Amino acid sequence: KQEVTQIPAALSVPEGENLVLNCSFTDSAIYNLQWFRQDPGKGLTSLLLIQSSQREQTSGRLNASLDKSSGRSTLYIAASQPGDSATYLCAAYTNAGKSTFGDGTTLTVKP
Amino acid sequence: DAGITQSPRHKVTETGTPVTLRCHQTENHRYMYWYRQDPGHGLRLIHYSYGVKDTDKGEVSDGYSVSRSKTEDFLLTLESATSSQTSVYFCAISESGGAADTQYFGPGTRLTVL
Repeated sequence: KQEVTQIPAALSVPEGENLVLNCSFTDSAIYNLQWFRQDPGKGLTSLLLIQSSQREQTSGRLNASLDKSSGRSTLYIAASQPGDSATYLCAAYTNAGKSTFGDGTTLTVKP
Repeated sequence: DAGITQSPRHKVTETGTPVTLRCHQTENHRYMYWYRQDPGHGLRLIHYSYGVKDTDKGEVSDGYSVSRSKTEDFLLTLESATSSQTSVYFCAISESGGAADTQYFGPGTRLTVL
């Protein structure tokens, strides 16, 4: 059974800092891995998707990497802003229907 | 934003009553999903659909049934609600289930079973 772990559960940083969020998974036979953002009381917003054959994806200040052999993915956020404060979730997909989500990292960026 | 709506957005019901949640999409995506989100458990897949009348179970399907008679609608039914089904329910869609497909989520339905 796939298990996804995100550490730390919470992170507080000053504005402008670069930071890394971690996601680890136990079954390397993944279809893809996705990173989402969730604001309080809202649904999830997709940030980045990395297919199993890819090593990284970038969107603006965000960069996600994938290392299947070690069962790890990282989300790098450059020059953090208060608007980046949210919960970040990663999800490992083992086929089109089956997904396993981590519990998320709650990020607070202080002005 | 992907065109996904969920109804109702909030519901309070009593133990033993049937409840149906509706997910409606305007994107003509093939795949639709129902998740529940609970503190300490993250998001867990309940059921998903890969086409009209084609559905499959997820990780926590006991006590839930689904139906999809049209591409745009995916219904989640709690036949006899229990307090353990108090949760926030999210619907999601993806275009074709391919490895490059992003999942898009609806705004959620907060269900309280008393």
